[in-house]
Amino acid sequence: DQQVKQNSPSLSVQEGRISILNCDYTNSMFDYFLWYKKYPAEGPTFLISISSIKDKNEDGRFTVFLNKSAKHLSLHIVPSQPGDSAVYFCAASANQFYFGTGTSLTVIP
Amino acid sequence: DTAVSQTPKYLVTQMGNDKSIKCEQNLGHDTMYWYKQDSKKFLKIMFSYNNKELIINETVPNRFSPKSPDKAHLNLHINSLELGDSAVYFCASSQDYGGGYNEQFFGPGTRLTVL
Repeated sequence: DQQVKQNSPSLSVQEGRISILNCDYTNSMFDYFLWYKKYPAEGPTFLISISSIKDKNEDGRFTVFLNKSAKHLSLHIVPSQPGDSAVYFCAASANQFYFGTGTSLTVIP
Repeated sequence: DTAVSQTPKYLVTQMGNDKSIKCEQNLGHDTMYWYKQDSKKFLKIMFSYNNKELIINETVPNRFSPKSPDKAHLNLHINSLELGDSAVYFCASSQDYGGGYNEQFFGPGTRLTVL
């Protein structure tokens, strides 16, 4: 049973525009949410996180929004850059981490 | 210096063979993990070790056996390999165990192909 879902396997965005990556979860016990970025032939690397007591966390061009009532979080990248092209994994944690299946973002120059 | 390293990076082998994947972290972390990413790109935890002790053992065939000789190493042994074992295996480590803000650092992955 997949507790974290990323329903969009891919997303293409023009350079300079906003990229919005979405993630849904089912377990209300999750208390922390993270986004990881993965380049081909490399392991995922931590990008940004948010605690369940917050609804927004911002770090430079990256902002994560959490809507607990909808069990939904999103990652906004503004402005998008070609170097942002990668697979983005959403993860949620209770006593362990659960990952989504990833969204492949392509930023078109 | 690579924080979390895995060897080999690629592993191609025949069904029925036994193989091992090694993982080492130089971050001084207490907890290490093995994840499997299958063909559907689903990244799922297999095992978690904290201070050399098994904490999480998800529903994984007992052909898979992790071994942690010390806190810095967590090796994965796979016996009697099957076609369905073909996947990318990621090792990871974190400072502590228990979810929360416990950022995990991942190795580059080992792509296992069983023929």
